[in-house]
Amino acid sequence: EVQLVESGGDFIQSGRSLTLSCTASGFNVGDYAVGWVRQAPGKGLEWVGFIRSRDFRGTEQYAASVKGRFTISRDTSKSIAYLHMNSLRTEDTAIYYCTRGTYRGSYLLDFWGQGTLVTVSS
Amino acid sequence: SYELSQPPSVSVSPGQTVRITCSGDKLGDKYACWYQQRPGQSPVLVVYQDDRRPSGIPQRFSGSNSGNTATLTINGTQAMDEADYYCQAWDISTGVVFGGGTKLTVL
Repeated sequence: EVQLVESGGDFIQSGRSLTLSCTASGFNVGDYAVGWVRQAPGKGLEWVGFIRSRDFRGTEQYAASVKGRFTISRDTSKSIAYLHMNSLRTEDTAIYYCTRGTYRGSYLLDFWGQGTLVTVSS
Repeated sequence: SYELSQPPSVSVSPGQTVRITCSGDKLGDKYACWYQQRPGQSPVLVVYQDDRRPSGIPQRFSGSNSGNTATLTINGTQAMDEADYYCQAWDISTGVVFGGGTKLTVL
């Protein structure tokens, strides 16, 4: 059974850094794109970014809103993916979901974690 | 950057058919997915590659995609289908793109 469990959400001041973790089970994190989607309170879904599978050289891609501030990495030996967030802003406040991405001519997000809340204060 | 748009809300009576649309430039040239998000829960994939259902998703959910519009259809809508629905596509430059979401109310 595929499972994604996020951790690391916190209440943090703007300008600081925070790292979220996503522990995966039921699949090999190197064989899929693993990434993050966020949802601000009362708002819609916003893609943050992902790291592609080994078949796609493990390259990363990010949304314009976080590019240069956020970085995604993974440790395949521990089956964990990370979201490193720097220079946090109040508008980064959201629930952050870890997702598994499968490529079938296009990326689809077939499994989601339960989410972890990040609150950035001014 | 690529964008998708959805109506903010749609309502339907129990047992009826409802269609939720998603619009984007030449969306029919891409694959569309749909996610269901019930209140307080994580999103769940209900349709992918325009018209395919993941294992465990009821047959009443179906999808289509042509021209500039993708459509999620729910036949015989049930109270449990009340949720937010998001369309999604992939653009090589923008990445994963979501529509703004449609709140489905089952009256």
